[in-house]
Amino acid sequence: DVKVTQSSRYLVKRTGEKVFLECVQDMDHENMFWYRQDPGLGLRLIYFSYDVKMKEKGDIPEGYSVSREKKERFSLILESASTNQTSMYLCASTLLRSSYNEQFFGPGTRLTVL
Amino acid sequence: DQQVKQNSPSLSVQEGRISILNCDYTNSMFDYFLWYKKYPAEGPTFLISISSIKDKNEDGRFTVFLNKSAKHLSLHIVPSQPGDSAVYFCAASSAYQLIWGAGTKLIIKP
Repeated sequence: DVKVTQSSRYLVKRTGEKVFLECVQDMDHENMFWYRQDPGLGLRLIYFSYDVKMKEKGDIPEGYSVSREKKERFSLILESASTNQTSMYLCASTLLRSSYNEQFFGPGTRLTVL
Repeated sequence: DQQVKQNSPSLSVQEGRISILNCDYTNSMFDYFLWYKKYPAEGPTFLISISSIKDKNEDGRFTVFLNKSAKHLSLHIVPSQPGDSAVYFCAASSAYQLIWGAGTKLIIKP
């Protein structure tokens, strides 16, 4: 079974703090994604990566950065957390040559910024 | 500009009856469509997919129908069970990505 793990299930941070969210997958997938999920807005893509050290902006990259130093690990960084970044953060991965791009998700991190 | 739309934020269905969740899209170049199910505090899990060259795909209690001329797809769950209560996302496959709808919260009443 594909396993995608995220470093924390729940996180509480203060405004202005630097926040690191880590994601690890164990199936040698090339593509990895970071989303945030907010009620009524669905899943919005923040960044994705299709290879080590490669990254592409998604729909809402402002206020976020990412790092992919190893194939299995994709990190999301909030340089200076703000209250409007309170959300559920979801990491996903998929094979580059997947026929229909099925994405496998981690359990999510519920981030609260006070 | 939303390319994938789920216009019903929520749906309530009696246990044992049919649940029908709808999804509309605008881009006729999408080659696959997927449905995911999400419970609170968990990541989405893949449910069923359909190729754009098909009009129906069935897997147990779940059937997805695709109407290309109307750019519409629907997920049928028969019979609905309490464990089906969740948020359902429709997604369209494009290049390396999935384009997501906003989700429909399905509530199964006992």
